[in-house]
Amino acid sequence: EVQLVESGGGLVQPGGSLRLSCAASGFTFSDHYMDWVRQAPGKGLEWVGRTRNKANSYTTEYAASVKGRFTISRDDSKNSLYLQMNSLKTEDTAVYYCARSLRGSSGSYYVGFDYWGQGTLVTVSS
Amino acid sequence: SYELTQPPSVSVSPGQTARITCSGDALPKQYAYWYQQKPGQAPVLVIYKDSERPSGIPERFSGSSSGTTVTLTISGVQAEDEADYYCQSADSSGTHVVFGGGTKLTVL
Repeated sequence: EVQLVESGGGLVQPGGSLRLSCAASGFTFSDHYMDWVRQAPGKGLEWVGRTRNKANSYTTEYAASVKGRFTISRDDSKNSLYLQMNSLKTEDTAVYYCARSLRGSSGSYYVGFDYWGQGTLVTVSS
Repeated sequence: SYELTQPPSVSVSPGQTARITCSGDALPKQYAYWYQQKPGQAPVLVIYKDSERPSGIPERFSGSSSGTTVTLTISGVQAEDEADYYCQSADSSGTHVVFGGGTKLTVL
């Protein structure tokens, strides 16, 4: 059974930093692209960014709203995904989800997400 | 920046057909995906690659595409289908993921 479990959320002051983790199990983590998606209270879903796999040089992409402040990384040996968040702003307050990117049977990569974690809440407030 | 546009709300009676649209200039080039999200829960994929249905998703959920608009259709709507629905795709380069603003489906 595929499982994604986020951790590391909490209360942080504006300008502070936080590191989120996502522990994956039930599938070959190293095969998949992995993404972070967030949802501010009462708002819609917002893509944060992506890390590709080793075969694609672990390259990353970021939404404009977080580029230069957030860094996505992964440790395939630990089946774990990370989100380092620096220079946090009040508008970064949200539930942060990790999500597994779809991979076709032929090995093709897609931008959709077939599994999501339950999310971890990050609150940026003084 | 690239945007996907959804109606904020759709209302239907039980047993009727609900159609939720999503418009975006890059949709002719990029696949669309649809997610159902109930309060306090993570999103669930209900349609992928415009019209494919994941295993475990009821047959009443279907997707279609025409030009710059994709549509999620729920036939024979049930009370349990009341939720927020989000479309998702990518920009024309396929690099950046984008979500629509979400549609609240109300079952009257």
